[in-house]
Amino acid sequence: GDSVTQMEGPVTLSEEAFLTINCTYTATGYPSLFWYVQYPGEGLQLLLKATKADDKGSNKGFEATYRKETTSFHLEKGSVQVSDSAVYFCALSDPRTNTGNQFYFGTGTSLTVIP
Amino acid sequence: DARVTQTPRDKVTEMGQEVTMRCQPILGHNTVFWYRQTMKQGLELLAYFRNRAPLDDSGMPKDRFSAEMPDATLATLKIQPSEPRDSAVYFCASGLRTGALNTEAFFGQGTRLTVV
Repeated sequence: GDSVTQMEGPVTLSEEAFLTINCTYTATGYPSLFWYVQYPGEGLQLLLKATKADDKGSNKGFEATYRKETTSFHLEKGSVQVSDSAVYFCALSDPRTNTGNQFYFGTGTSLTVIP
Repeated sequence: DARVTQTPRDKVTEMGQEVTMRCQPILGHNTVFWYRQTMKQGLELLAYFRNRAPLDDSGMPKDRFSAEMPDATLATLKIQPSEPRDSAVYFCASGLRTGALNTEAFFGQGTRLTVV
C-alpha cells in the first residue's frame, strides 16, 4: 500500500544553517506529494506541494522536488530561522487509486533552530 | 479567510463520560477527515467522509467511537464512554475532490482531549 517514510528527529540547527529533511514514498500510482508544518499548539498547515514528477514545490524559502526515479520528496531550506522551529510532515495522496483521496502522513520531524 | 473550525479547543472529562467534538469544514469542500495525534502513535486517520457519506472508518474503535455528518457544515466525532487512553489531540481536516483531482487537506486547530 501507499506509505511515506521520513527521517527521524529531532533535528537541531543553528540559525542560518542549511536544512534537509528526507522523505521517501511508496505508492502504486502517481501520487501528489506534500509537506505540512505544525507549530506548537496548532493544526497542520500546508507548506508546499508537487503533483507530478520533476515538479518543484516552494514556499517561504522551503523547496522540495518530486523525484520519481528515487521516490523522494526531500525538504530543503538554505538558511533556517528561529521561527522555522516546528514539526514537519511529509504526505502523499493519490485520488486515482482505490484508496480515494486519503492522505498518508509520515511520522513527523521536529526541527529546533537555535539563535 | 476560509478555515476549518473545531470546537471545543480543549476538553477535560472524567472516564466514562460522553465526549462530542465538532468540526465545521470549509464551505464547498466535499471531503472531511478525522485524525488523532499522540506522541506515541503520531497522526492516525480515524475516519473520512465524502459528500457526507462515510467512506472509511476502519481506523476508529467501533465500540466507543462514532463519526457523523448531520449536514454539509457540521461533522461530529463522539466517544462514549471515554477512557484515559483516548487522551490525544483530535484534528478535523477538509478538502475538495473533483474527478481525479484533489486539493490538499486543510486542518483545523484541533481539540485537545484529556480523560482523567
